[in-house]
Amino acid sequence: DIQMTQSPSSLSASVGDRVTITCRASQSISSYLNWYQQKPGKAPKLLIYAASSLQSGVPSRFSGSESGTDFTLTISSLQPEDFATYYCQQSYSTPGITFGPGTKVDIK
Amino acid sequence: EVQLVESGGGLVQPGRSLRLSCAASGFTFDVYAMHWVRQAPGKGLEWVSGISWNSGSIGYADSVRGRFTISRDNAKNSLYLQMNSLRAEDTALYYCAKDRRETFYYGSADYWGQGTLVTVSS
Repeated sequence: DIQMTQSPSSLSASVGDRVTITCRASQSISSYLNWYQQKPGKAPKLLIYAASSLQSGVPSRFSGSESGTDFTLTISSLQPEDFATYYCQQSYSTPGITFGPGTKVDIK
Repeated sequence: EVQLVESGGGLVQPGRSLRLSCAASGFTFDVYAMHWVRQAPGKGLEWVSGISWNSGSIGYADSVRGRFTISRDNAKNSLYLQMNSLRAEDTALYYCAKDRRETFYYGSADYWGQGTLVTVSS
Protein backbone atom coordinates (compact mmCIF):
# COMPACT_ATOMS: atom_id res chain seq x y z
CA ASP A 1 0.00 0.00 0.00
CA ILE A 2 1.05 3.57 -0.65
CA GLN A 3 1.70 5.50 2.55
CA MET A 4 1.12 9.23 2.78
CA THR A 5 2.90 11.44 5.26
CA GLN A 6 2.21 15.10 6.00
CA SER A 7 4.34 17.76 7.59
CA PRO A 8 3.99 19.49 9.85
CA SER A 9 1.30 17.71 11.85
CA SER A 10 0.24 21.08 13.19
CA LEU A 11 1.20 24.71 12.86
CA SER A 12 0.31 28.05 14.35
CA ALA A 13 0.06 31.02 12.05
CA SER A 14 -1.31 34.54 11.90
CA VAL A 15 -3.79 36.09 9.52
CA GLY A 16 -1.91 37.19 6.42
CA ASP A 17 0.85 34.59 6.77
CA ARG A 18 1.95 32.40 3.89
CA VAL A 19 1.42 28.78 4.91
CA THR A 20 2.90 25.69 3.29
CA ILE A 21 1.91 22.10 4.01
CA THR A 22 3.80 19.17 2.53
CA CYS A 23 2.56 15.69 1.67
CA ARG A 24 4.91 12.88 0.65
CA ALA A 25 3.95 9.60 -1.01
CA SER A 26 5.91 6.41 -0.35
CA GLN A 27 6.05 5.76 -4.12
CA SER A 28 5.05 7.40 -7.35
CA ILE A 29 1.40 8.44 -7.57
CA SER A 30 1.73 10.47 -10.74
CA SER A 31 -0.36 13.61 -10.12
CA TYR A 32 -3.26 11.83 -8.43
CA LEU A 33 -3.10 13.89 -5.28
CA ASN A 34 -5.97 15.83 -3.77
CA TRP A 35 -6.19 18.30 -0.89
CA TYR A 36 -9.16 18.69 1.45
CA GLN A 37 -10.02 21.16 4.19
CA GLN A 38 -12.06 20.08 7.21
CA LYS A 39 -13.44 22.35 9.90
CA PRO A 40 -14.62 20.98 13.27
CA GLY A 41 -17.98 19.26 13.02
CA LYS A 42 -18.12 19.69 9.25
CA ALA A 43 -17.61 17.44 6.26
CA PRO A 44 -14.36 17.74 4.29
CA LYS A 45 -14.21 20.16 1.37
CA LEU A 46 -12.21 19.57 -1.81
CA LEU A 47 -9.67 22.34 -2.42
CA ILE A 48 -7.22 21.01 -5.00
CA TYR A 49 -7.43 17.98 -7.29
CA ALA A 50 -4.83 16.39 -9.54
CA ALA A 51 -2.05 18.04 -7.53
CA SER A 52 -2.55 21.58 -8.82
CA SER A 53 -6.07 22.11 -10.16
CA LEU A 54 -8.18 24.49 -8.12
CA GLN A 55 -11.68 23.19 -7.38
CA SER A 56 -14.47 25.48 -8.53
CA GLY A 57 -15.40 28.08 -5.93
CA VAL A 58 -12.18 27.75 -3.93
CA PRO A 59 -10.32 31.04 -3.39
CA SER A 60 -7.22 31.58 -5.49
CA ARG A 61 -5.04 32.01 -2.39
CA PHE A 62 -4.99 28.19 -2.30
CA SER A 63 -2.58 26.49 -4.68
CA GLY A 64 -0.98 23.10 -5.12
CA SER A 65 2.28 21.93 -6.61
CA GLU A 66 4.29 18.74 -7.00
CA SER A 67 7.87 17.60 -7.25
CA GLY A 68 8.25 13.88 -7.73
CA THR A 69 6.56 12.25 -4.76
CA ASP A 70 6.40 15.49 -2.77
CA PHE A 71 3.29 17.63 -2.94
CA THR A 72 2.67 21.06 -1.46
CA LEU A 73 -0.44 23.00 -0.50
CA THR A 74 0.17 26.72 -0.19
CA ILE A 75 -2.12 29.34 1.29
CA SER A 76 -0.70 32.63 0.08
CA SER A 77 -2.32 34.85 2.71
CA LEU A 78 -4.03 33.05 5.56
CA GLN A 79 -7.56 34.23 6.29
CA PRO A 80 -9.60 33.71 9.49
CA GLU A 81 -11.80 31.13 7.76
CA ASP A 82 -8.76 29.04 6.80
CA PHE A 83 -8.08 27.75 10.29
CA ALA A 84 -8.87 24.08 9.87
CA THR A 85 -7.31 20.66 9.35
CA TYR A 86 -5.94 19.85 5.90
CA TYR A 87 -5.67 16.35 4.45
CA CYS A 88 -3.93 15.10 1.34
CA GLN A 89 -5.29 12.04 -0.45
CA GLN A 90 -3.80 9.83 -3.16
CA SER A 91 -6.19 8.20 -5.61
CA TYR A 92 -3.56 6.47 -7.76
CA SER A 93 -3.37 3.17 -5.95
CA THR A 94 -6.54 1.18 -6.26
CA PRO A 95 -8.19 -0.13 -4.36
CA GLY A 96 -5.97 1.41 -1.70
CA ILE A 97 -6.96 5.08 -1.84
CA THR A 98 -5.36 6.68 1.20
CA PHE A 99 -5.43 9.93 3.11
CA GLY A 100 -2.55 11.58 4.88
CA PRO A 101 -2.78 11.97 8.67
CA GLY A 102 -3.73 15.66 8.46
CA THR A 103 -2.23 19.03 9.32
CA LYS A 104 -4.02 21.25 11.82
CA VAL A 105 -3.67 24.97 11.22
CA ASP A 106 -4.55 27.13 14.20
CA ILE A 107 -4.24 30.71 15.28
CA LYS A 108 -0.94 31.92 16.68
CA GLU B 1 -27.89 22.01 -5.43
CA VAL B 2 -26.06 18.77 -4.79
CA GLN B 3 -27.30 16.98 -1.68
CA LEU B 4 -26.10 13.75 -0.12
CA VAL B 5 -28.00 12.49 2.89
CA GLU B 6 -26.74 9.48 4.80
CA SER B 7 -28.89 7.31 7.03
CA GLY B 8 -28.84 3.95 8.79
CA GLY B 9 -26.24 4.56 11.47
CA GLY B 10 -26.72 3.68 15.09
CA LEU B 11 -25.52 1.55 17.99
CA VAL B 12 -24.81 -2.08 17.11
CA GLN B 13 -23.18 -4.96 18.95
CA PRO B 14 -19.87 -6.43 17.76
CA GLY B 15 -20.38 -9.12 15.15
CA ARG B 16 -23.72 -7.74 14.00
CA SER B 17 -24.64 -6.05 10.72
CA LEU B 18 -25.79 -2.62 9.62
CA ARG B 19 -26.74 -1.13 6.25
CA LEU B 20 -26.02 2.49 5.47
CA SER B 21 -27.83 4.41 2.76
CA CYS B 22 -27.06 7.64 0.96
CA ALA B 23 -29.78 9.51 -0.92
CA ALA B 24 -28.41 11.73 -3.69
CA SER B 25 -30.06 14.67 -5.41
CA GLY B 26 -29.17 17.73 -7.44
CA PHE B 27 -26.96 15.97 -9.97
CA THR B 28 -27.10 13.16 -12.51
CA PHE B 29 -26.34 10.31 -10.13
CA ASP B 30 -25.72 7.60 -12.74
CA VAL B 31 -22.82 9.50 -14.30
CA TYR B 32 -20.51 9.71 -11.29
CA ALA B 33 -18.55 7.38 -9.06
CA MET B 34 -19.28 7.40 -5.35
CA HIS B 35 -17.32 6.77 -2.15
CA TRP B 36 -17.75 5.94 1.49
CA VAL B 37 -15.22 7.61 3.80
CA ARG B 38 -15.17 7.28 7.57
CA GLN B 39 -13.73 9.20 10.48
CA ALA B 40 -13.31 7.69 13.92
CA PRO B 41 -13.93 10.10 16.82
CA GLY B 42 -11.05 12.56 17.03
CA LYS B 43 -9.15 10.85 14.22
CA GLY B 44 -8.37 11.45 10.57
CA LEU B 45 -10.15 10.45 7.40
CA GLU B 46 -10.13 6.86 6.13
CA TRP B 47 -11.35 5.86 2.68
CA VAL B 48 -13.62 2.82 3.02
CA SER B 49 -14.94 1.95 -0.43
CA GLY B 50 -15.63 3.28 -3.91
CA ILE B 51 -17.89 2.31 -6.80
CA SER B 52 -17.89 3.42 -10.41
CA TRP B 53 -20.89 4.93 -12.18
CA ASN B 54 -22.17 1.60 -13.47
CA SER B 55 -20.95 -0.59 -10.58
CA GLY B 56 -18.42 -2.10 -12.98
CA SER B 57 -15.48 -1.23 -10.74
CA ILE B 58 -15.51 -1.52 -6.97
CA GLY B 59 -12.79 -1.16 -4.37
CA TYR B 60 -12.37 -1.56 -0.62
CA ALA B 61 -9.86 -0.64 2.02
CA ASP B 62 -7.97 -3.61 3.42
CA SER B 63 -9.56 -2.97 6.82
CA VAL B 64 -13.08 -3.72 5.54
CA ARG B 65 -12.58 -6.03 2.54
CA GLY B 66 -14.59 -9.20 2.95
CA ARG B 67 -16.89 -7.65 5.57
CA PHE B 68 -18.36 -4.58 3.83
CA THR B 69 -20.17 -4.44 0.48
CA ILE B 70 -20.81 -1.26 -1.48
CA SER B 71 -23.64 -1.03 -3.99
CA ARG B 72 -25.73 1.54 -5.80
CA ASP B 73 -29.18 1.77 -7.33
CA ASN B 74 -29.06 4.35 -10.10
CA ALA B 75 -32.82 4.19 -10.57
CA LYS B 76 -33.25 5.30 -6.95
CA ASN B 77 -30.29 7.72 -6.87
CA SER B 78 -28.98 5.82 -3.88
CA LEU B 79 -25.70 4.45 -2.56
CA TYR B 80 -25.44 1.72 0.05
CA LEU B 81 -22.89 0.15 2.38
CA GLN B 82 -23.68 -3.24 3.85
CA MET B 83 -21.50 -3.73 6.91
CA ASN B 84 -21.20 -7.24 8.36
CA SER B 85 -19.14 -8.66 11.23
CA LEU B 86 -18.79 -5.22 12.75
CA ARG B 87 -15.93 -4.52 15.14
CA ALA B 88 -15.31 -1.85 17.74
CA GLU B 89 -12.74 -0.29 15.42
CA ASP B 90 -15.47 0.32 12.83
CA THR B 91 -16.94 2.98 15.14
CA ALA B 92 -16.90 6.19 13.12
CA LEU B 93 -18.83 8.87 11.31
CA TYR B 94 -19.47 7.49 7.82
CA TYR B 95 -19.57 9.99 4.95
CA CYS B 96 -21.01 9.45 1.51
CA ALA B 97 -19.13 11.41 -1.17
CA LYS B 98 -19.55 12.05 -4.88
CA ASP B 99 -16.56 11.79 -7.18
CA ARG B 100 -15.77 14.32 -9.89
CA ARG B 101 -15.37 11.45 -12.37
CA GLU B 102 -17.19 8.34 -13.48
CA THR B 103 -14.55 6.11 -11.94
CA PHE B 104 -13.50 6.19 -8.27
CA TYR B 105 -9.83 5.59 -9.00
CA TYR B 106 -7.76 8.57 -10.09
CA GLY B 107 -10.61 10.72 -8.79
CA SER B 108 -11.49 13.16 -6.05
CA ALA B 109 -14.56 13.72 -3.90
CA ASP B 110 -16.17 17.07 -4.66
CA TYR B 111 -19.36 16.80 -2.60
CA TRP B 112 -19.89 15.18 0.79
CA GLY B 113 -22.82 14.42 3.02
CA GLN B 114 -22.90 15.29 6.70
CA GLY B 115 -22.32 11.70 7.78
CA THR B 116 -24.07 9.04 9.82
CA LEU B 117 -22.59 7.79 13.07
CA VAL B 118 -21.96 4.09 13.58
CA THR B 119 -21.11 2.93 17.09
CA VAL B 120 -20.06 -0.67 17.62
CA SER B 121 -20.23 -1.60 21.27
CA SER B 122 -21.68 -4.25 23.54
